[in-house]
Amino acid sequence: GENVEQHPSTLSVQEGDSAVIKCTYSDSASNYFPWYKQELGKRPQLIIDIRSNVGEKKDQRIAVTLNKTAKHFSLHITETQPEDSAVYFCAARLSNFGNEKLTFGTGTRLTIIP
Amino acid sequence: ETGVTQSPTHLIKTRGQQVTLRCSSQSGHNTVSWYQQALGQGPQFIFQYYREEENGRGNFPPRFSGLQFPNYSSELNVNALELDDSALYLCASSLFPGELFFGEGSRLTVL
Repeated sequence: GENVEQHPSTLSVQEGDSAVIKCTYSDSASNYFPWYKQELGKRPQLIIDIRSNVGEKKDQRIAVTLNKTAKHFSLHITETQPEDSAVYFCAARLSNFGNEKLTFGTGTRLTIIP
Repeated sequence: ETGVTQSPTHLIKTRGQQVTLRCSSQSGHNTVSWYQQALGQGPQFIFQYYREEENGRGNFPPRFSGLQFPNYSSELNVNALELDDSALYLCASSLFPGELFFGEGSRLTVL
């Protein structure tokens, strides 16, 4: 089955600097890669996602890149703000009709230092 | 449009007991998935229901079972509770092939 590794497990950056979180996946058939933000005691919330036919996607301060050959994808947050502090999870999925199992990474605790 | 709602939000059980967790899907969604999130870990896929049938299961024993009803709401049942079952149980609904929308979860503590 799919295996997703995520690094680093913790990350501290100065407010205004950029943060990068990296994930690798094992199943080359996976074709959907979402990123979730989870604040303490809250639900995971989708912040950005990318499909395997795209190499990069950007939404304001957040961007995701995908390298299918190397089987890795990364989350980039620019101009970080205190409200970006949370745990971030990457995930991978092979989207067959009706089968939407997500395999999650182990999470990165991001702390923005004011 | 209502989001995914789960109940109860918190509950405490003892080893050997049984528990039922409930989930109401987001309006218009036909697929429900359940995930277990242990403290400090990423969510782990338990199983998924599509049109009232289980169509995917993770590495969880048979004492984890579920149902999906005609209105697409769902239940997760866990029998013979063990200490390691203590976790946040997340329900997620979707309309394939869209994103998963998670509920706030049910936090289960097994003593």
